Amino acid sequence: KQEVTQIPAALSVPEGENLVLNCSFTDSAIYNLQWFRQDPGKGLTSLLLIQSSQREQTSGRLNASLDKSSGRSTLYIAASQPGDSATYLCAAATRAGNMLTFGGGTRLMVKP
Amino acid sequence: EAEVAQSPRYKITEKSQAVAFWCDPISGHATLYWYRQILGQGPELLVQFQDESVVDDSQLPKDRFSAERLKGVDSTLKIQPAELGDSAMYLCASSLETPPTDTQYFGPGTRLTVL
Repeated sequence: KQEVTQIPAALSVPEGENLVLNCSFTDSAIYNLQWFRQDPGKGLTSLLLIQSSQREQTSGRLNASLDKSSGRSTLYIAASQPGDSATYLCAAATRAGNMLTFGGGTRLMVKP
Repeated sequence: EAEVAQSPRYKITEKSQAVAFWCDPISGHATLYWYRQILGQGPELLVQFQDESVVDDSQLPKDRFSAERLKGVDSTLKIQPAELGDSAMYLCASSLETPPTDTQYFGPGTRLTVL
């Protein structure tokens, strides 16, 4: 059974810092890995999707990498802003359809 | 921009009562998912539909939960009877195709509180 872990559970940084969020998964036979953002009390917004054949994806100030052999993915946020404050969730798509197994999330606070 | 719609946004009920949640996926999306998210945790899949057929409901507590997507479009998730431990956010998502490439689009969720 796939298990996804995110460390740290919470992170507080000053505005302008570059930061890295970590995601690890136990079963390397994934189809893709996705990063989502969730604002308090809201649904999830897809940020990046990395297919199993890819090593990284970029969108604006966000860069996500995938290392299947080590069971790790990272989300890099450049020049963080207070508006980046949210919970960031990673999720791995398993063999059986597109069912996503989520990590517990990293709650990010960017202080002005 | 097309969005996944869910209603109600909030629901407060007493234990042993019945509750129902509704989801309308993005038009044309054949795959629909229901997830449950307990506060402070990541979402967990309850049930996945491909058109009107259930693909995966292995994590659905079938003694009290039921889900349907009769015409392969919108879907209803029901809990009867509700228990205190059912308090959570219930999220609906949809995607255009099965794996491996497609993104899941999530609705705003229904926050359920069971008293």
